[in-house]
Amino acid sequence: AQTVTQSQPEMSVQEAETVTLSCTYDTSESDYYLFWYKQPPSRQMILVIRQEAYKQQNATENRFSVNFQKAAKSFSLKISDSQLGDAAMYFCAYIYSTNAGKSTFGDGTTLTVKP
Amino acid sequence: NAGVTQTPKFRILKIGQSMTLQCTQDMNHNYMYWYRQDPGMGLKLIYYSVGAGITDKGEVPNGYNVSRSTTEDFPLRLELAAPSQTSVYFCASSSGGSGYEQFFGPGTRLTVL
Repeated sequence: AQTVTQSQPEMSVQEAETVTLSCTYDTSESDYYLFWYKQPPSRQMILVIRQEAYKQQNATENRFSVNFQKAAKSFSLKISDSQLGDAAMYFCAYIYSTNAGKSTFGDGTTLTVKP
Repeated sequence: NAGVTQTPKFRILKIGQSMTLQCTQDMNHNYMYWYRQDPGMGLKLIYYSVGAGITDKGEVPNGYNVSRSTTEDFPLRLELAAPSQTSVYFCASSSGGSGYEQFFGPGTRLTVL
């Protein structure tokens, strides 16, 4: 079974600074996708960024980027120029490409942004 | 497009009661999912469906049942509600393409007393 581990229950960052959220996962599969989702206090889940396991290039979406280390099974999220609106719970997630029902989420990291 | 809709938004049940959480998506997605989120925790997969008529268990299926008679609808049935089922329930859907992004509903907060 797949597992996703987020070792940082809480993180804080100063506005305009950079923060990195950690995620490790365990799988025996070679073809999968990894995601970071954001859950603000409204409870709505929002996709932040995705990474395809077969792509070596790290995904980037504006201020959000990932460091994907496939051999180490590590998938960290870097948020640059942090903004107050980035405050939320962030979830790392895994999905197996061949059977998209195999979806696993980590326990989340609560990010606080200090003005 | 409404995306993924869930009803009700909130519900209080008494122990032993039953109810159905409704989920509908209008994106013609093949994949649909039910998750539960306990306070301060991540999402745990209850059941999923890869298309109409096909469902399978996720990580925490006990106490729940699902059906998928149409592409659009994926109701979750709770039989004999227990306090351990107090949680927020999310329905999600995915096309299976476009990188398997899941689109989530707004959630249902269920309390069992």
